[in-house]
Amino acid sequence: EPEVTQTPSHQVTQMGQEVILRCVPISNHLYFYWYRQILGQKVEFLVSFYNNEISEKSEIFDDQFSVERPDGSNFTLKIRSTKLEDSAMYFCASSEFTYRGSTNEKLFFGSGTQLSVL
Amino acid sequence: AQKVTQAQTEISVVEKEDVTLDCVYETRDTTYYLFWYKQPPSGELVFLIRRNSFDEQNEISGRYSWNFQKSTSSFNFTITASQVVDSAVYFCALRVTSGTYKYIFGTGTRLKVLA
Repeated sequence: EPEVTQTPSHQVTQMGQEVILRCVPISNHLYFYWYRQILGQKVEFLVSFYNNEISEKSEIFDDQFSVERPDGSNFTLKIRSTKLEDSAMYFCASSEFTYRGSTNEKLFFGSGTQLSVL
Repeated sequence: AQKVTQAQTEISVVEKEDVTLDCVYETRDTTYYLFWYKQPPSGELVFLIRRNSFDEQNEISGRYSWNFQKSTSSFNFTITASQVVDSAVYFCALRVTSGTYKYIFGTGTRLKVLA
């Protein structure tokens, strides 16, 4: 089965530093997402991306966050100035664009990047 | 607004017992999708099942079964004859089809199956 790939699997950074988390979504997918999970808690939506622009973002996704699809395959999440509370597992996900009532709707997740801010 | 509630934070059972994980959802949309994902100790999120709002048939897959009831807005997940490998956090999720494409997750239920 096709996979969403995330790198790195672990990232340690100092508070105030910039980090870029990288993802390669499944090739024929059109919708891309970032979610995060703070140590064993709920899976929280950050942002969705379609047609080269943000389609929706949560309150968590403030000016310190940005996403980009720099080429035809990569999808990145940048945190400009990391804070201690940004420490979490970050999941990239992708899905096909499905029409209303489609039976193919499903979110494919990558294995996550564990971000630790010291 | 949409919401998913998993009231059971943690459940412990002894191996071979049956266990049901509850999921209650809220939405005004008439077309939506419901999902269950498993998160084993290794941390990845594994898709288990999708249900469309217009298909209320229950589903069985091996030891797993799902009961979807629109009348009570519930989508419960039962594991029959639980095994230690079933130990994980299970998330229920909702995706509506109007105005948003995000998936909304419940807070998860941690299942511990004891040998």
